[in-house]
Amino acid sequence: GNSVTQMEGPVTLSEEAFLTINCTYTATGYPSLFWYVQYPGEGLQLLLKATKADDKGSNKGFEATYRKETTSFHLEKGSVQVSDSAVYFCALEGGSYIPTFGRGTSLIVHP
Amino acid sequence: DTAVSQTPKYLVTQMGNDKSIKCEQNLGHDTMYWYKQDSKKFLKIMFSYNNKELIINETVPNRFSPKSPDKAHLNLHINSLELGDSAVYFCASSLTSGLSNTEAFFGQGTRLTVV
Repeated sequence: GNSVTQMEGPVTLSEEAFLTINCTYTATGYPSLFWYVQYPGEGLQLLLKATKADDKGSNKGFEATYRKETTSFHLEKGSVQVSDSAVYFCALEGGSYIPTFGRGTSLIVHP
Repeated sequence: DTAVSQTPKYLVTQMGNDKSIKCEQNLGHDTMYWYKQDSKKFLKIMFSYNNKELIINETVPNRFSPKSPDKAHLNLHINSLELGDSAVYFCASSLTSGLSNTEAFFGQGTRLTVV
């Protein structure tokens, strides 16, 4: 079956540091890939997505590139802010419309 | 206005009880979902309804019964609660089926604790 593996958190960074949250997946076919973000006390929100190999999703300074050869979709941001502190979920969806989420990675950014 | 709202936000109850969690969306979406997030933060889909019809049922025990009185509401009823049901339950909605086609909007979650 499909699966998503994310690095365990929490990831703790100082403001303006570079962020990478690793995500790798196992799936048949060509799934769509997503990053969702959950801010404290809120529901998940779509951050970015990529629907085919080599696509780059980007939003709010975050980027992730769909790498089929390494089955990865790592999330990156060049300079994090305190307001980026949240839990980040990597997810995939195949043709059945049944999504698979990773376990979430908590990011804590200090001033 | 909250797009996807669920009530209650917190629910503490004893084993064996029956409880319901309500969800409403005011986005005019056709598809609604229930997800369960366990203690290890894994998020798994439980059910999906499209225009009040069940389209996804992911091997959830029969004690869990979703009910969709109209396409703006998807309630989750749980019978004979067990300790293992303790989790955070998220409701979500999207314009059509499939995250690939449309963005899903999530509620804030209901933290259920069974004692």
